Amino acid sequence: QLQLQESGPGLVKPSETLSLTCTVSGGSMISTDTYWHWIRQPPGKGLEWIGSVYYSGSTFYNPSLESRVTVSADTSKNQFFLRLNSVTATDTGIFYCARSYASNFSWSQGTLVTVSS
Amino acid sequence: QSALTQPASVSGSPGQSITITCAGSSSDVGDSKYVAWYQQYPGKAPKVVIYDVSQRPSGVSNRFSGSKSGNSASLTISGLQAEDEADYYCISRAGGNTWVFGGGSRLTVL
Repeated sequence: QLQLQESGPGLVKPSETLSLTCTVSGGSMISTDTYWHWIRQPPGKGLEWIGSVYYSGSTFYNPSLESRVTVSADTSKNQFFLRLNSVTATDTGIFYCARSYASNFSWSQGTLVTVSS
Repeated sequence: QSALTQPASVSGSPGQSITITCAGSSSDVGDSKYVAWYQQYPGKAPKVVIYDVSQRPSGVSNRFSGSKSGNSASLTISGLQAEDEADYYCISRAGGNTWVFGGGSRLTVL
């Protein structure tokens, strides 16, 4: 069964770069019509789609975050990555990685990232 | 790209049916067969209850159903049970292979 697990720092300083890794197990990232996503949720608020990557390397971003976000993948390691630049306190939240086939998303457990000095 | 519009809260008594709406535009819900609904309990990751407008994953109760009309989608839960109390989010694929969520609806079972 497919599992996704995030890893990365739980605390990031303002103006610095938030970096997270999602490791995929129980299946290959190389799969047609399957996309790999990052999604976040500020404390007590709703879900926000950040961006996604296809195994070919094609990427897609939320227009509101596009200037600060990079999503990439290393299919040889079955991992994909998130970089969010110039973070502020408003970027604090739970970050999920997910896989989608059509609109059926499978989610990781989520990791809390706090932006604070 | 604006968030899809959902009611902030809905409620119903056990055994009743409720419907949660998700209003979008011709650029997302109205132009996509990829609309889904996710259930989220406090402190937990979201879980799909409906995908591709009206498809129900295996293991999800048949009390959950989905539909779409024009630029809006709906999730209906029939025979409401206490365990259905949770937050529900819609999501739609939008232009350029991007995705947009609704603001979420808190379901309270009275």
